[in-house]
Amino acid sequence: AQSVAQPEDQVNVAEGNPLTVKCTYSVSGNPYLFWYVQYPNRGLQFLLKYITGDNLVKGSYGFEAEFNKSQTSFHLKKPSALVSDSALYFCAVRDWELTGGGNKLTFGTGTQLKVEL
Amino acid sequence: GAGVSQTPSNKVTEKGKYVELRCDPISGHTALYWYRQSLGQGPEFLIYFQGTGAADDSGLPNDRFFAVRPEGSVSTLKIQRTERGDSAVYLCATGTRNTGELFFGEGSRLTVL
Repeated sequence: AQSVAQPEDQVNVAEGNPLTVKCTYSVSGNPYLFWYVQYPNRGLQFLLKYITGDNLVKGSYGFEAEFNKSQTSFHLKKPSALVSDSALYFCAVRDWELTGGGNKLTFGTGTQLKVEL
Repeated sequence: GAGVSQTPSNKVTEKGKYVELRCDPISGHTALYWYRQSLGQGPEFLIYFQGTGAADDSGLPNDRFFAVRPEGSVSTLKIQRTERGDSAVYLCATGTRNTGELFFGEGSRLTVL
């Protein structure tokens, strides 16, 4: 089984400050990890992914995420937040040893990011 | 089209009615997924197609739900005898098999009265 936890329903941050959105995961094998963003009345958009390699992954719009195997975490970060970053963020996982399911992802419940002036 | 297209964007129906939701994938994407997103929740997997066949339908909640993709492109999610608990946003996503990145449509919001 695979699961994802996003412990914060909402994160508030001032524009220009660094932001972190937390995610922890559980898989029986090794994980594929993803972050998606959902703007109001828009479809989910891919931000970044971790498959293998460097633990620090860089993605779209200046976002990055750090894979930490010992803590089973994949927190999303950005050095300087913008008001336009305000949206709903989802972490997702796939167990790469899961066969037959394509890229069947398990999503967290989402974290609402609010960036204020 | 350039992206995943879903129709209708909104559907209101009465309990017990039959509903069809359509997904037009990105051209060339062989993998197609249906997810359901209830209010305040993340998307939940329903079914996955590779080409024309359903490779994994383990997320379909019961036999009232069925999906097809007869020519390996457009897919239709069919819900029989709708119930109020079926109210949600139904998301379609497509991708290439190995990248892991999924491209989502804007969803079809289903409301069952």
